[in-house]
Amino acid sequence: QKEVEQDPGPLSVPEGAIVSLNCTYSNSAFQYFMWYRQYSRKGPELLMYTYSSGNKEDGRFTAQVDKSSKYISLFIRDSQPSDSATYLCATSNSGYALNFGKGTSLLVTP
Amino acid sequence: EAGVVQSPRYKIIEKKQPVAFWCNPISGHNTLYWYRQNLGQGPELLIRYENEEAVDDSQLPKDRFSAERLKGVDSTLKIQPAELGDSAVYLCASSPTKGLANNEQFFGPGTRLTVL
Repeated sequence: QKEVEQDPGPLSVPEGAIVSLNCTYSNSAFQYFMWYRQYSRKGPELLMYTYSSGNKEDGRFTAQVDKSSKYISLFIRDSQPSDSATYLCATSNSGYALNFGKGTSLLVTP
Repeated sequence: EAGVVQSPRYKIIEKKQPVAFWCNPISGHNTLYWYRQNLGQGPELLIRYENEEAVDDSQLPKDRFSAERLKGVDSTLKIQPAELGDSAVYLCASSPTKGLANNEQFFGPGTRLTVL
């Protein structure tokens, strides 16, 4: 069993919809939680970074961490076609080695 | 500011041949990572460098993979001999500090390796 589980999708939504992306993890020692966005043929880029539990908001993006249920979420409001990409969740207990999920492929249609 | 540079972007080789990937991290970044990303999967760490020292190479298949980071800047990852299962995207990343609070990893575009 991988330490981070993520539904690969694909997920297709119309423009303007609210998108919910989720991951579960197994190691309670994880303290750092991240969401990366990866466009086709590109490297991942950091979207959101959260330490421990709680919510973090940045523009149209909100990241949530629930350590009691080992569940992390990313919400995208007013989704745009430019949001079409693969979204990777990642966790770490040290801040160094990242444990990535498989990634969820998102398509936002105009 | 220039990002992480990797070359080549694409490489096709026959099995049993050697191959090397090169990475130039963001200037001033002390920590350098090599990841492998298989199709439909997330990246998996192969090796992490702090300056020129490999501090975590536990996931590097040492029978055929080797890496170096001379002078603590550029790095090279080598596979010899390559196997069919090595087909993947090899990503290099760097981060500015080994501290925990601000350890954002900046990724390069990757080298897509196809082994025939």
